[in-house]
Amino acid sequence: DTEVTQTPKHLVMGMTNKKSLKCEQHMGHRAMYWYKQKAKKPPELMFVYSYEKLSINESVPSRFSPECPNSSLLNLHLHALQPEDSALYLCASSQVPRAGGGDEQFFGPGTRLTVL
Amino acid sequence: GNSVTQMEGPVTLSEEAFLTINCTYTATGYPSLFWYVQYPGEGLQLLLKATKADDKGSNKGFEATYRKETTSFHLEKGSVQVSDSAVYFCALSNAGNNRKLIWGLGTSLAVNP
Repeated sequence: DTEVTQTPKHLVMGMTNKKSLKCEQHMGHRAMYWYKQKAKKPPELMFVYSYEKLSINESVPSRFSPECPNSSLLNLHLHALQPEDSALYLCASSQVPRAGGGDEQFFGPGTRLTVL
Repeated sequence: GNSVTQMEGPVTLSEEAFLTINCTYTATGYPSLFWYVQYPGEGLQLLLKATKADDKGSNKGFEATYRKETTSFHLEKGSVQVSDSAVYFCALSNAGNNRKLIWGLGTSLAVNP
């Protein structure tokens, strides 16, 4: 299985709502990532988990809260978002980066989020 | 620091035309290089990769060769199809920056029948 799955595919939420995005992979990867992507732009890294521990937080506002319940699952909890947070949210996984390289990331299809 | 520069689009070609999308990079050491493709309304798919100088990555008729002397990783395809219409991103990963992916700005390709 070489697939990363994400749910939901689309999400519309108000600024006072709380929602969660989910990501799952069964490739045995121990690194998982959240990215935000605006239209026609490259993805922007938000968070990295390595061996289920948060290893990188790219100064993301606290209204985004990641969680890694186990090695296959990654969640992104959303609360009090702003309209400018509307974007495609992508999850990815990879082998834990090592000195030798070859650490390609495998992406899910994304959740298209609209904040009203 | 590490950076990736790719040719600006959009690129518009007729079916069966030859495609080149230029990508050059700046990095210390020996980065890994990638091409990702994003079809309309979808996530990113790894198209091909190369991890050392003179490696050639290939997939689905696309090729790119890791040229350390010119710090380039240009994407080529001999005969494009309408189904190749997508945005193409060049990226690098380097031990010096926690192996985070550094992305080019993307090149939009439209192939007309």
